[in-house]
Amino acid sequence: DTGVSQDPRHKITKRGQNVTFRCDPISEHNRLYWYRQTLGQGPEFLTYFQNEAQLEKSRLLSDRFSAERPKGSFSTLEIQRTEQGDSAMYLCASSDRGASVGNTIYFGEGSWLTVV
Amino acid sequence: AQSVAQPEDQVNVAEGNPLTVKCTYSVSGNPYLFWYVQYPNRGLQFLLKYITGDNLVKGSYGFEAEFNKSQTSFHLKKPSALVSDSALYFCAVRDSGYSTLTFGKGTMLLVSP
Repeated sequence: DTGVSQDPRHKITKRGQNVTFRCDPISEHNRLYWYRQTLGQGPEFLTYFQNEAQLEKSRLLSDRFSAERPKGSFSTLEIQRTEQGDSAMYLCASSDRGASVGNTIYFGEGSWLTVV
Repeated sequence: AQSVAQPEDQVNVAEGNPLTVKCTYSVSGNPYLFWYVQYPNRGLQFLLKYITGDNLVKGSYGFEAEFNKSQTSFHLKKPSALVSDSALYFCAVRDSGYSTLTFGKGTMLLVSP
């Protein structure tokens, strides 16, 4: 396994611009998660997919956020009309095949977003 | 609902001494508990988890954690700390009825030489 891969690792954007992050999960992991982490806080759940289906969205995921996982492989997280409050690290994670709640969730290195 | 509390923002320990990082949880069903470590500007690395069975769980890098159902705790421990253990540690819980992890705020571990 090559691990969860995220791109870009760092993004600086001007307020009002759109940004997109990509996540490639561990091969054959059917669940994919997006979390957001701000300084001094633990990761906060945003959304997750089982295969291509988006099964749950947090209320943190405002209308400006959209996530997709076409064909159940990689995923993208797009933020439209960015605001300074969107500045955070966006973490992608994936979990083992199967739906057991005991399955380990593996995280990528994160994508840092700075909105100026 | 599921929640996690890490009561200490920071833990300081001298190299070679034992360390404990505390975690308590709240769930309505059966708890599935995890510890992750985060180094500066990096993602989270999985350390260990408790699913069922033995209350003492062993994980990566010599870390272990003890599950205590009556105290709803899952403290992370290591018999002899290393300077390289200095990092941010997160406890996380997943209730049996949930699909996602809920994390604590994290505890910074500083190991001095």
